[in-house]
Formats: sequence, C-alpha cells, structure tokens
Amino acid sequence: KQEVTQIPAALSVPEGENLVLNCSFTDSAIYNLQWFRQDPGKGLTSLLLIQSSQREQTSGRLNASLDKSSGRSTLYIAASQPGDSATYLCAVRQGEYGNKLVFGAGTILRVKS
Amino acid sequence: DTEVTQTPKHLVMGMTNKKSLKCEQHMGHRAMYWYKQKAKKPPELMFVYSYEKLSINESVPSRFSPECPNSSLLNLHLHALQPEDSALYLCASRGTGTPIGVGYTFGSGTRLTVV
Repeated sequence: KQEVTQIPAALSVPEGENLVLNCSFTDSAIYNLQWFRQDPGKGLTSLLLIQSSQREQTSGRLNASLDKSSGRSTLYIAASQPGDSATYLCAVRQGEYGNKLVFGAGTILRVKS
Repeated sequence: DTEVTQTPKHLVMGMTNKKSLKCEQHMGHRAMYWYKQKAKKPPELMFVYSYEKLSINESVPSRFSPECPNSSLLNLHLHALQPEDSALYLCASRGTGTPIGVGYTFGSGTRLTVV
C-alpha cells in the first residue's frame, strides 16, 4: 500500500527565506506527482505536476524535483512571502489507469513579515 | 473554463435531512472524484467516476450516494448523516485523453456540518 510522508509537518520562516519541503513515497510505481496548496477551509490549488519520467518542474518561484527511484520529491520555494503561508500537500497518482491520488499529510507553512 | 465548481459552499443539515452536493466542470474531463477531508487531515478518496460510470467506491457508507448524470456533472446525495460526517467535501476532475500526463483539478469544496 502506498504511503506518502511529508516533512516537516510545520515550518515557520521569516519573509525572504528560501525553503524546501520534502515528500517521500514508498511505492515507486507512480504515474506522476502533484504538489498542491491549500488555504484554510478552501479547496486545493495545483502548483506543479511532475511526470514519472521527469526530474523537475518550475513555475515562477517554485521548483519541484522528483527522484522516482528513491521515492522522493522536494518543493523549493524561493524568496518566500507572507502570501505563501498555506498548507502544502504532495500527492502521487497510481493504480489502474491512474485513478487514485494518494496524499501526504501536508506541511503547514507560515511566512512571517 | 478551467475550473471545477462546487455548490453549495456551506451546508448545515440535520441527521434526518436529505441534501445533495453538486459539482460541475466544463473542461471535457471524463474522470470525476469525490474526496472527504477532515480538519488538519489530507483528503481521502470516496468515489471515482470514469466515463460516467462508478469505477471506485472506497467502502463508503450507503448514506452517501453518488450520481453522475452526464459528463459535466457529479452529485453526492446525502441522507441520514451522522455528526462525524461533518467535513470539507471536495470534487475533482481529470482529463482521460492522455492518462499519463494530466493532473487533477479540484473545486473549492463544500463545508458540511451535520447537527
């Protein structure tokens, strides 16, 4: 059974810092990995999608990497801002026809101004 | 249109009520999902519809009844719920034309409170 773990569970940093969020998964047979952002009480916003054949994806200040063989992904946030404060979830897609998305428990990020 | 729209945003219902949650997308996605999310927990899969047919039911109690009347619409019918069913209910969709390459799009959720 796939298990997805995110470290740290919570992170508090001053504005302007670069930071790294970690995600690990136990079964490397995945289609892709997706990073989401969730603000309190809201839905999920997709940040980055990395295919199983890719090593990294970038969008603005965000960079996500994937090492499928070791079961790890990182989300790098450059020059953090208070508006980045949210819960960050990673999820791997697998199963027959890729019909299951398995989530980690998330990292709660607080960026202090 | 690149959104998944869920209505209502908030719902309070009694344990004897019958209500429905609605989810709509116009991206041509043929896979649609219901997830349940309790506070401070990750979303948990409830149901998967593929081409308007139920393909996965994650052993969800029968008081939750999904329905996919067409390729754009997904409903979740609720009846005789318990207070522990209070949660954020999220709908998602995914394109199926290129199953390897397409990510999920989530709606903003329905906050359900059972009293």
